[in-house]
Amino acid sequence: GIQVEQSPPDLILQEGANSTLRCNFSDSVNNLQWFHQNPWGQLINLFYIPSGTKQNGRLSATTVATERYSLLYISSSQTTDSGVYFCAVEGNTDKLIFGTGTRLQVFP
Amino acid sequence: KAGVTQTPRYLIKTRGQQVTLSCSPISGHRSVSWYQQTPGQGLQFLFEYFSETQRNKGNFPGRFSGRQFSNSRSEMNVSTLELGDSALYLCASSLYLNPSNYGYTFGSGTRLTVV
Repeated sequence: GIQVEQSPPDLILQEGANSTLRCNFSDSVNNLQWFHQNPWGQLINLFYIPSGTKQNGRLSATTVATERYSLLYISSSQTTDSGVYFCAVEGNTDKLIFGTGTRLQVFP
Repeated sequence: KAGVTQTPRYLIKTRGQQVTLSCSPISGHRSVSWYQQTPGQGLQFLFEYFSETQRNKGNFPGRFSGRQFSNSRSEMNVSTLELGDSALYLCASSLYLNPSNYGYTFGSGTRLTVV
């Protein structure tokens, strides 16, 4: 099956800093989503981005499908950005395969 | 519109018991899938339902089962609970069986503790 790797596993930032999270996947995909898991466990959908670039406020994402990677950019980070960020992909099997996540801690 | 609703939010059960979790998808969504999240295994796919039919199943023992009703609400059942079944169970809904422009939307999850 498709393998999904995320880096870095942990990230510690001071408020206001920028960061880039990376997601590599091992095969072509029909779907790629970035999620933020809040402290209560809910997965918040950030982007549906199987290819191309999208922006939403301080967050943006780029997926280069031909090279099998996606990047999530967080600019001017805030303490509320803390949590775990997951990349998940879907091939031809109608199920999401998740990476192991990047745990982000933003300190004031 | 309302999001994906999972009930209950928290549950404590004893080994050997069985448990039923519920998921109501976003209105109009016909696909419901279930995932298990544990610290050791991460997020793993359990099964997916579309139009009351199980379309896909993950690599879990037969103790894990589910169903979907005509109104798209779904339940999953775990029988003969084991300590290792302690996990956060997440439900996701999507408009179609294949990914749409919006992908999957997740509920807040049910945190199950088996003692």
